[in-house]
Amino acid sequence: AQSVTQLDSQVPVFEEAPVELRCNYSSSVSVYLFWYVQYPNQGLQLLLKYLSGSTLVKSINGFEAEFNKSQTSFHLRKPSVHISDTAEYFCAVKYGGTDKLIFGTGTRLQVFP
Amino acid sequence: GAGVSQSPRYKVAKRGQDVALRCDPISGHVSLFWYQQALGQGPEFLTYFQNEAQLDKSGLPSDRFFAERPEGSVSTLKIQRTQQEDSAVYLCASSLERVDNSPLHFGNGTRLTVT
Repeated sequence: AQSVTQLDSQVPVFEEAPVELRCNYSSSVSVYLFWYVQYPNQGLQLLLKYLSGSTLVKSINGFEAEFNKSQTSFHLRKPSVHISDTAEYFCAVKYGGTDKLIFGTGTRLQVFP
Repeated sequence: GAGVSQSPRYKVAKRGQDVALRCDPISGHVSLFWYQQALGQGPEFLTYFQNEAQLDKSGLPSDRFFAERPEGSVSTLKIQRTQQEDSAVYLCASSLERVDNSPLHFGNGTRLTVT
């Protein structure tokens, strides 16, 4: 079955510390991978995506994610977080031959001063 | 408008009532999706339109759920005889083309509470 697993429901971290949010998906020949962010009282926004090419993709606000085919993972990382990064982060996968995104259950990142 | 607009923002319905949730996608967007997000969960796919054609409705949980997009722009998600388990945030999203070619833009959702 096609599925996405986010192992951590909550990740508390202090400001300026590094963070990694984990995402694994069920194996498939063809996948497109996404991270969406939901700030408090706002809608989901695309943070970054992997479609093809370089396996390391970056967002404009310092996040990056690496597509690892052998481990079927697409973990999200940031070397130094800010208070403003506090939000819910969702990993999503589009499997080849389908049109819909399948979302993980989300990871709540809480950044403390 | 600048983004995907959903109305109402909040809806409270008594069990057994019918509800209609509206989605105004970004102008010109071909693809439109409905998702259901229960508390503490990720969005779950309900249905997908390409223009006015409903290409996938495999995620609709029962025949009480019905969606339409008659003119290929505005879409309505209708839930008949609402049940408590229908309580969730209903998200609408649109994209210019296929999802892998253009990003999915989400609305702020309609929070449905069935009492």
